Amino acid sequence: DAGVTQSPTHLIKTRGQQVTLRCSPKSGHDTVSWYQQALGQGPQFIFQYYEEEERQRGNFPDRFSGHQFPNYSSELNVNALLLGDSALYLCASSLMSSGGQRIIPVGANVLTFGAGSRLTVL
Amino acid sequence: AQSVTQLGSHVSVSEGALVLLRCNYSSSVPPYLFWYVQYPNQGLQLLLKYTSAATLVKGINGFEAEFKKSETSFHLTKPSAHMSDAAEYFCAVSAKTYGNKLVFGAGTILRVKS
Repeated sequence: DAGVTQSPTHLIKTRGQQVTLRCSPKSGHDTVSWYQQALGQGPQFIFQYYEEEERQRGNFPDRFSGHQFPNYSSELNVNALLLGDSALYLCASSLMSSGGQRIIPVGANVLTFGAGSRLTVL
Repeated sequence: AQSVTQLGSHVSVSEGALVLLRCNYSSSVPPYLFWYVQYPNQGLQLLLKYTSAATLVKGINGFEAEFKKSETSFHLTKPSAHMSDAAEYFCAVSAKTYGNKLVFGAGTILRVKS
């Protein structure tokens, strides 16, 4: 059973460039969340996608955008890169609904994390 | 608003000694609480979670945590440390609302000495 897979694992960009990170959720999951983990810090929530829509968003600027595809995979896009965007970007998947019914309480759902994409901005 | 404070960015114990990693949370609503572990160059792995059932929660690899509402704490313990426990540990909180956004603490790096 494949877990959460992310690509690329490492990448280097320069300031002002744009980057796209990709995530395939764990088989059977329908929700994808993205987190940014700066060096020495805990992960910070960027946003969450469910049914191809952004459902929740953390305190991140509009330079951060995303997309979820019909197969539940997701992309994270960051425009106009800044040095401060250097971090490990983690994708996490979970199951929001089953059999057409929303799983309650969703807050208790366990997130399965990928190994991350490490972005370095020079 | 929710927040998590992990006391001690680094904890060092001897192999076989008690492991105690501290976590205090702030939440305006009854929370769900989680402990995750992160090994070098890997993602986060769930150790255990509290979802308002038993206040003493048992997890994987011999870890357990006790939810204490009066102290707003959710400390992680393990009776006997093993070298393989060396990793970074994160406490996280989420609310009983739509969506399962997690708010993480800053993490505690556990070092196990032989």
